[in-house]
Amino acid sequence: QVQLVESGGGVVQPGRSLRLSCAASGFTFSSYAMYWVRQAPGKGLEWVAVMSFDGSIKYYADSVKGRFTISRDNSKNTLYLQMNSLRAEDTAVYYCAKTPTRSGSYCDYWGQGTLVTVSS
Amino acid sequence: DIVMTQSPDSLAVSLGERATINCKSSQSVLYSSNNKNYLAWYQQKPGQPPKLLIYWASTRESGVPDRFSGSGSGTDFTLTISSLQAEDVAVYFCQQYYGAPPYTFGQGTKLEIK
Repeated sequence: QVQLVESGGGVVQPGRSLRLSCAASGFTFSSYAMYWVRQAPGKGLEWVAVMSFDGSIKYYADSVKGRFTISRDNSKNTLYLQMNSLRAEDTAVYYCAKTPTRSGSYCDYWGQGTLVTVSS
Repeated sequence: DIVMTQSPDSLAVSLGERATINCKSSQSVLYSSNNKNYLAWYQQKPGQPPKLLIYWASTRESGVPDRFSGSGSGTDFTLTISSLQAEDVAVYFCQQYYGAPPYTFGQGTKLEIK
């Protein structure tokens, strides 16, 4: 069955960097676009970034553009989110999610999430 | 960007009764060339990730009970739970995936038992 397992979260000081990983299994990772979505404590869902199946197309939310980079290694079935210049408002649970298409649409499977806390 | 607005923010319904959640988009998410509405609904229970319920506005995901249904077109959409069960207590989100990103979510509707 489809499994998405995020890792790399933790407590980090403002201005520092963190890299999240999402290990995928149970499906042909290289065939599907993938998302990052975040959820601040007690808040709603915020779409962060999406990458096409082959990594050729990527989009970012304005709130993270220029600071975050989405990438994937299809040989390792892994999605990444490099987060630089972190701010307090980036504190959230970060979910990795799969889409059923090559370029992006709704999410049919979600990971359990990894918590990122930005605090001094 | 397309803004998604859900109503109400919270809702309390008796067991066995109907629950209705609305979602309005700031512009149409109906793609005329294929007559599909690019709108999904998710359920999130406490401490869990979201779970896909409905896509293309009215197509139920495999395994989702048939008491869940989606309707609407263009800019106005509804998620209906025909007979509320205790396990349906959750926060429900709509999301549009029309055109190029950002694929925005509604703010969520918290559903409780009355």
